[in-house]
Amino acid sequence: ILNVEQSPQSLHVQEGDSTNFTCSFPSSNFYALHWYRWETAKSPEALFVMTLNGDEKKKGRISATLNTKEGYSYLYIKGSQPEDSATYLCAFENWQAGTALIFGKGTTLSVSS
Amino acid sequence: ETGVTQSPTHLIKTRGQQVTLRCSSQSGHNTVSWYQQALGQGPQFIFQYYREEENGRGNFPPRFSGLQFPNYSSELNVNALELDDSALYLCASSPTGTGPPEAFFGQGTRLTVV
Repeated sequence: ILNVEQSPQSLHVQEGDSTNFTCSFPSSNFYALHWYRWETAKSPEALFVMTLNGDEKKKGRISATLNTKEGYSYLYIKGSQPEDSATYLCAFENWQAGTALIFGKGTTLSVSS
Repeated sequence: ETGVTQSPTHLIKTRGQQVTLRCSSQSGHNTVSWYQQALGQGPQFIFQYYREEENGRGNFPPRFSGLQFPNYSSELNVNALELDDSALYLCASSPTGTGPPEAFFGQGTRLTVV
């Protein structure tokens, strides 16, 4: 069974704090790792798609790294803002599962002003 | 927003009934995937359609079925509804091309089975 684990399940930070989350996935037959941001009552928004070991991607204050050999990815948010409050999902693709995205349960971030 | 629209947004059905959920994919996308998100879980892959053919299926029983139309819109049908089918159903469309496609999600249909 292919399993994706995300930690922490939830966290609460103050505006201006920097934070990071972890996504762990099986390293065999790796194809791609996706990060999504999902705000309440909206559709999940794609943040990054990463394919290569050592990949680093950045979008504004959000960045992500990928280690396919050990099976983990980190998502970093620098200087958190209240509008960053959302659930962050990671999803894994591998050659065995075909084109399905295998999601973790997400990390719910709450940022207080 | 992503350009992927789902209807209806909310639905209440009785156990044993049948339901059809609809998804309009983003323009230019010929692949549609459906996911079920139960309370406290991440989205679970149901199946995918590519050019009107099923192109992969997750661990869901045959009473979950789908269609994709020539305009690439899609339907998810669930027969003999069970209480555990209560969930948020997400549709995602994606283009085909080189590399892993980026999936664009709709806002989902919240199905409650009573």
